[in-house]
Amino acid sequence: NAGVTQTPKFQVLKTGQSMTLQCAQDMNHNSMYWYRQDPGMGLRLIYYSASEGTTDKGEVPNGYNVSRLNKREFSLRLESAAPSQTSVYFCASRGRLLAYEQYFGPGTRLTVT
Amino acid sequence: LAKTTQPISMDSYEGQEVNITCSHNNIATNDYITWYQQFPSQGPRFIIQGYKTKVTNEVASLFIPADRKSSTLSLPRVSLSDTAVYYCLVGERENSGYSTLTFGKGTMLLVSP
Repeated sequence: NAGVTQTPKFQVLKTGQSMTLQCAQDMNHNSMYWYRQDPGMGLRLIYYSASEGTTDKGEVPNGYNVSRLNKREFSLRLESAAPSQTSVYFCASRGRLLAYEQYFGPGTRLTVT
Repeated sequence: LAKTTQPISMDSYEGQEVNITCSHNNIATNDYITWYQQFPSQGPRFIIQGYKTKVTNEVASLFIPADRKSSTLSLPRVSLSDTAVYYCLVGERENSGYSTLTFGKGTMLLVSP
């Protein structure tokens, strides 16, 4: 039982390049989330998926797109990376009840130059 | 979501008990109090949740006074490995649709030898 996994762990992009961050969970959770965390800050929600087939914007969605590929997988895409998107990205999932018990992945550290 | 206020940082020594207090004056009747822990370069980890009085698990204790306007996370006999950021969150425990977490900056606990 791996929990929440994310790939890659590190990535460096040039401005304007695109990439997709992958996230998968093996806990049969319905809800999945993408957050970003900037240095010295708390986490901010980018997008979330309450259930398979649905996605919604969070607090900071501009510059990102998401795909809920199936119940296990939720990907985050940067179409044209900008230096302001340099951050650590966390994926999380949540079970059926306990709204405030989310399980986080190890994060992807992204640098855009 | 009720707003929370907690100290920016705290220092302690190994073997001491650490108490981190969170203020949440506008907590609603249905709200629970939840604490997360985040180690450097890792995603946040749920550690404890409570509604009133006292909750204890293998990691920490959570003390909530009768008026519920504040809560105290207690870490017994801390070690160097307890150095982390601790986040206090307040909100509904169960949500049939979706839920999103709003993390503040948390409390940076530094444990020294």
